[in-house]
Amino acid sequence: AQTVTQSQPEMSVQEAETVTLSCTYDTSESDYYLFWYKQPPSRQMILVIRQEAYKQQNATENRFSVNFQKAAKSFSLKISDSQLGDAAMYFCAYRSVLNTDKLIFGTGTRLQVFP
Amino acid sequence: DAGVIQSPRHEVTEMGQEVTLRCKPISGHDYLFWYRQTMMRGLELLIYFNNNVPIDDSGMPEDRFSAKMPNASFSTLKIQPSEPRDSAVYFCASSFGNYNEQFFGPGTRLTVL
Repeated sequence: AQTVTQSQPEMSVQEAETVTLSCTYDTSESDYYLFWYKQPPSRQMILVIRQEAYKQQNATENRFSVNFQKAAKSFSLKISDSQLGDAAMYFCAYRSVLNTDKLIFGTGTRLQVFP
Repeated sequence: DAGVIQSPRHEVTEMGQEVTLRCKPISGHDYLFWYRQTMMRGLELLIYFNNNVPIDDSGMPEDRFSAKMPNASFSTLKIQPSEPRDSAVYFCASSFGNYNEQFFGPGTRLTVL
């Protein structure tokens, strides 16, 4: 069974600085999707970024980018130029291509942003 | 589009009572998912539907939980009888096709006293 591990329960960053959130996963599959979701205090789960495992190029969405290391089964999220609105819980998630319907979530990292 | 709609946003009930959570997926989406979020267990998939048909309910904790999707625009998650350990935030999500992003609703915070 696939598992997703987020080893940092909490992180903090100064406004305008860069922070990296870690995620590792375990799978025997070669093709899959990886996601980062943001959950602000409003509870809404918002997709931040997605990565297809067959793509070597790291996904980027504005200030958010990932470092996808397939061999190491690592999928970290980098937030550049951090803003106060980035403060939230961040969840890493895995979805198999074979079993395409289930999202497997990590336990989350709470990010604090200080002015 | 209004996004995924869930009601109620908050529910407080007493142990033993029946609780019904409701979800309206995004129009045109053919997948619907029910998740539960707790501090201890994180986000767990309870059940999901494809074209209104339940596909996998292996995450449903026990027989007290049941879910239905009578049509493409409505689903319910029912707990009967409710217990304090059912207290959690319950999310509904929908997607179009099985390769696309899941869009989450705002969640229902359930408190069972």
